[in-house]
Amino acid sequence: SSELTQDPAVSVALGQTVTLTCQGNSFRSYFATWYQQKPGQAPLLVIYGQNYRPSGIPDRFSGSASDNTSSLTITGAQAEDEAVYYCNCRDFRGYNLIFGGGTKLTVL
Amino acid sequence: QVQLQQWGAGLLKPSETLSLTCAVYGGSFSGYYWNWIRQPPGKGLEWIGEINHGGTTNYNPSLKSRVTTSVDLSKNQVSLKMTSLNAADTAIYYCARRAIRGVSFTPLDLWGQGTLVTVSS
Repeated sequence: SSELTQDPAVSVALGQTVTLTCQGNSFRSYFATWYQQKPGQAPLLVIYGQNYRPSGIPDRFSGSASDNTSSLTITGAQAEDEAVYYCNCRDFRGYNLIFGGGTKLTVL
Repeated sequence: QVQLQQWGAGLLKPSETLSLTCAVYGGSFSGYYWNWIRQPPGKGLEWIGEINHGGTTNYNPSLKSRVTTSVDLSKNQVSLKMTSLNAADTAIYYCARRAIRGVSFTPLDLWGQGTLVTVSS
């Protein structure tokens, strides 16, 4: 199947650590990329490849993978991290891109 | 600083054709795949397709029959056309780039501001 599955909603207390997960068969071949989207804004790349952050992304964001699951961890979540997070990968054919349904992260 | 600026008609009727353009300012046009992604109001992201500077394309199989992308190298622009529109095509449409690194899967590292397209009679 060419699907990526994410939890619809996750909450975390301010300053605590939270891990968002994304499941899919594509991760047996590719690393996930992760995007953060705040209301009214375009998605922003936060993690890609094995565990790389674009310039300007805080180091509290990190990525990991195991079997068919990719994860995004925020260590010490801040109020500004409240957003919807999407995972993204190629499908099993290797030509098309697919997105997970998104996880709405609430920072309490 | 590289920027993607996109534009196109925002209100269309059912059965009409969507036409959007994305211009690249301040950076290279070659060496990238130029992608189109859409997002229905309140919903998630859906990949539409991509094209590189040489005209090689990949499309979402579910949209392939209605979608065409093209490049204008003289203007550093990419365009999207989608035919036979219906209400389900109402969405914010984004252009985004990803670098070509052989067969590696590369991220969408730069996005346009998005264009809201509403399909309504």
